[in-house]
Amino acid sequence: DVKVTQSSRYLVKRTGEKVFLECVQDMDHENMFWYRQDPGLGLRLIYFSYDVKMKEKGDIPEGYSVSREKKERFSLILESASTNQTSMYLCASSSRTGLETQYFGPGTRLLVL
Amino acid sequence: GEDVEQSLFLSVREGDSSVINCTYTDSSSTYLYWYKQEPGAGLQLLTYIFSNMDMKQDQRLTVLLNKKDKHLSLRIADTQTGDSAIYFCAVSPGGSYIPTFGRGTSLIVHP
Repeated sequence: DVKVTQSSRYLVKRTGEKVFLECVQDMDHENMFWYRQDPGLGLRLIYFSYDVKMKEKGDIPEGYSVSREKKERFSLILESASTNQTSMYLCASSSRTGLETQYFGPGTRLLVL
Repeated sequence: GEDVEQSLFLSVREGDSSVINCTYTDSSSTYLYWYKQEPGAGLQLLTYIFSNMDMKQDQRLTVLLNKKDKHLSLRIADTQTGDSAIYFCAVSPGGSYIPTFGRGTSLIVHP
């Protein structure tokens, strides 16, 4: 069974803290993605990666960075958390061949105080 | 870029059929997906259709594609309370690996 896991289901951080969100997939997928989901706005793409050490900006990269040192792991970093980064963060992965279906993790609900 | 539109809410009675609609703008969209998100969870692929198909049926789910009008619909027969969730339409031109998602339709099933 395919699996995408995220390091935390819930996180509470203070403004200005550095925050790491980790995502691991066990499907040997080339592509990995970070989205944030807010009510009424749907999913917005923050960053994606086509391969190890490669990263591309999505629609809303400001205030975020990413790291992909290993194929199975894709990290999202909030360098200095702000209250407007309170959101649900979803990680996804997909293969570069076939149907290109994205497989999603369970999400991390981040609250920044 | 691609724009995908869905209505935000749909309320149905248990046992009735639900129809969730989606429109998109890019006629080169090759893969069209429906995802389901249950409360507090990530998105799960429900079904998909290729652009060279008009219809796909999978148990209680029927997907209809009207390429001329760029309209995609998901019909759920005999809707149950367990079908209550947010349903996302997503389309991809193929080869880009980055689908464009609609904002999601919250399906509420009441007894």
